[in-house]
Amino acid sequence: DAKTTQPNSMESNEEEPVHLPCNHSTISGTDYIHWYRQLPSQGPEYVIHGLTSNVNNRMASLAIAEDRKSSTLILHRATLRDAAVYYCIAGGGSQGNLIFGKGTKLSVKP
Amino acid sequence: NAGVTQTPKFQVLKTGQSMTLQCAQDMNHNSMYWYRQDPGMGLRLIYYSASEGTTDKGEVPNGYNVSRLNKREFSLRLESAAPSQTSVYFCATAFGSVFQPQHFGDGTRLSIL
Repeated sequence: DAKTTQPNSMESNEEEPVHLPCNHSTISGTDYIHWYRQLPSQGPEYVIHGLTSNVNNRMASLAIAEDRKSSTLILHRATLRDAAVYYCIAGGGSQGNLIFGKGTKLSVKP
Repeated sequence: NAGVTQTPKFQVLKTGQSMTLQCAQDMNHNSMYWYRQDPGMGLRLIYYSASEGTTDKGEVPNGYNVSRLNKREFSLRLESAAPSQTSVYFCATAFGSVFQPQHFGDGTRLSIL
């Protein structure tokens, strides 16, 4: 698994886009990039994952740098319910497990 | 988190007591995981099961045992609870074993006095 670096916290205004960055400079060619989020008092929730190409789903978009050493999770219009800790994970453990860092705590202001 | 159910949601134990945390899923997933999350930290893998009848140790298995009773259920047992095991425990499932999206339960908050 590759080490990831994320800002400890970020703030956003409601209904504005949010770009959450992640650096993973030691990522290997076969490591997927995963994003999960954890709302207060809940388990982590899968957001999106990708390998090389940018990915979109109903929750978010994932922009992956051409050299794959960084990625950005994009929430197109933040809502109050998007306030959570967002974890970027590059690769994983040998048992297919996810290796979580401390993530980025996103606050959304009305 | 529909699909992955953990029981109980909260529990307080005394040092030395034993208990079993239950996890059940109705997603027909093959892989199941137990993680623990300590304050301000990410999740750490305790045990893993790739399929019914198989289990493997994760990063922090000491003091725990697991049982994959069938495809749906994966239980975590503390034989002799210690204060260092105070944590929030999450069960997760995935269709396969190679970095498929994982689905988590809401956790069991365990305090050991």
